[in-house]
Amino acid sequence: DIQMTQSPSSLPASLGDRVTITCRASQDIGNYLRWFQQKPGKSPRLMIYGATNLAAGVPSRFSGSRSGSDYSLTINSLESEDMAIYYCLQHNEYPLTFGSGTKLEIK
Amino acid sequence: EVQLVESGGGLVQPGRSMKLSCAASGFTFSNYGMAWVRQAPTKGLEWVATISYDGSSTYYRDSVKGRFTISRDNAKSTLYLQMNSLRSEDTATYYCTRGGAFDYWGQGVMVTVSS
Repeated sequence: DIQMTQSPSSLPASLGDRVTITCRASQDIGNYLRWFQQKPGKSPRLMIYGATNLAAGVPSRFSGSRSGSDYSLTINSLESEDMAIYYCLQHNEYPLTFGSGTKLEIK
Repeated sequence: EVQLVESGGGLVQPGRSMKLSCAASGFTFSNYGMAWVRQAPTKGLEWVATISYDGSSTYYRDSVKGRFTISRDNAKSTLYLQMNSLRSEDTATYYCTRGGAFDYWGQGVMVTVSS
């Protein structure tokens, strides 16, 4: 199975900060990587698909990038509504695997 | 507007069965693969199963293989998850989602496996 190692698990940050969350894939997944945002008591929301593409309706302060087997989600100029848990998902091969999540919280 | 509405959850004893449903609307259901993803209380997301647009192909995580069955009725635009031999570790909120894209999700349905 492909392991998605997500870091950090917790990320305290201030409003206006630029933050980056990373997932490292244990095998090649190409660009079959998605990022989700989940707020307490809510369903996940797709943020990024194809590693770098912004999903519909997602603010432009969110971006995705790839460097080898490392995939990153960056949020520029953090806003209070961005406080949530973020997960990556590889869908290159079965079983599909999620990262363990990053809780973004106000410092 | 795309909508996915799960139903069928609740409290069930270990070893018993339960069937979840997910009613889809707002898109051509028969054109899309679909998936179930679950989340145990205070835990992360976990993919459970995927079914192809026509039901001809199905995929499962190892821990549910042989116990869970994903199926669909395209005429009714409904996705199902038949869960047999339930275990305490199956306790979770179960979400249906448009598979492949994972762009739309239901509100989730809670399944609690306990005696």
